[in-house]
Amino acid sequence: DQQVKQNSPSLSVQEGRISILNCDYTNSMFDYFLWYKKYPAEGPTFLISISSIKDKNEDGRFTVFLNKSAKHLSLHIVPSQPGDSAVYFCAASENGGFKTIFGAGTRLFVKA
Amino acid sequence: EPEVTQTPSHQVTQMGQEVILRCVPISNHLYFYWYRQILGQKVEFLVSFYNNEISEKSEIFDDQFSVERPDGSNFTLKIRSTKLEDSAMYFCASTLQKASGTYEQYFGPGTRLTVT
Repeated sequence: DQQVKQNSPSLSVQEGRISILNCDYTNSMFDYFLWYKKYPAEGPTFLISISSIKDKNEDGRFTVFLNKSAKHLSLHIVPSQPGDSAVYFCAASENGGFKTIFGAGTRLFVKA
Repeated sequence: EPEVTQTPSHQVTQMGQEVILRCVPISNHLYFYWYRQILGQKVEFLVSFYNNEISEKSEIFDDQFSVERPDGSNFTLKIRSTKLEDSAMYFCASTLQKASGTYEQYFGPGTRLTVT
């Protein structure tokens, strides 16, 4: 079941630069998308979400972009900080529904 | 800040035994979920629970699994007869509401289940 794909298992970025994490999905019925951050030995922490009626949502250093025609979304972190180093999961649901499908995650390393 | 809690943090059990994983969701939340993450794999949805009944479940959530909200605060996941492949990190989550298609799930720290 690869409805949500994060094709980059890892990403390394210099502190202060932009981090761009990508996510693709195949289910056109998905209408709500979320990004979670996860540190080792902790549960996922909600970062930011976007509804399919929007193409951009911004919260502080985090911006999510949604391209419905390409079935693609991305998370931009600007500026990146060493504390941002974690695994980032893209997730999606349909009908704002109960069942959230997660991608495999991208491990972000922010170098000081 | 309110948080989802889970106990125990680590559970070791023998194959074939029953286990109960416990969660205390955030107190005013209405929707409850269980997910699991097998080591090195993605987080997988198991089940959602609302208004004292299962609202959705995945194909993973077979007859060996059950959920219950025995009182106003706890939310439990029971695995009736554990298998080796049930070894995973189990996460509980809760949500306040689904309004206008917007919601966020708050996750607990997880219970690591090891089946030997």
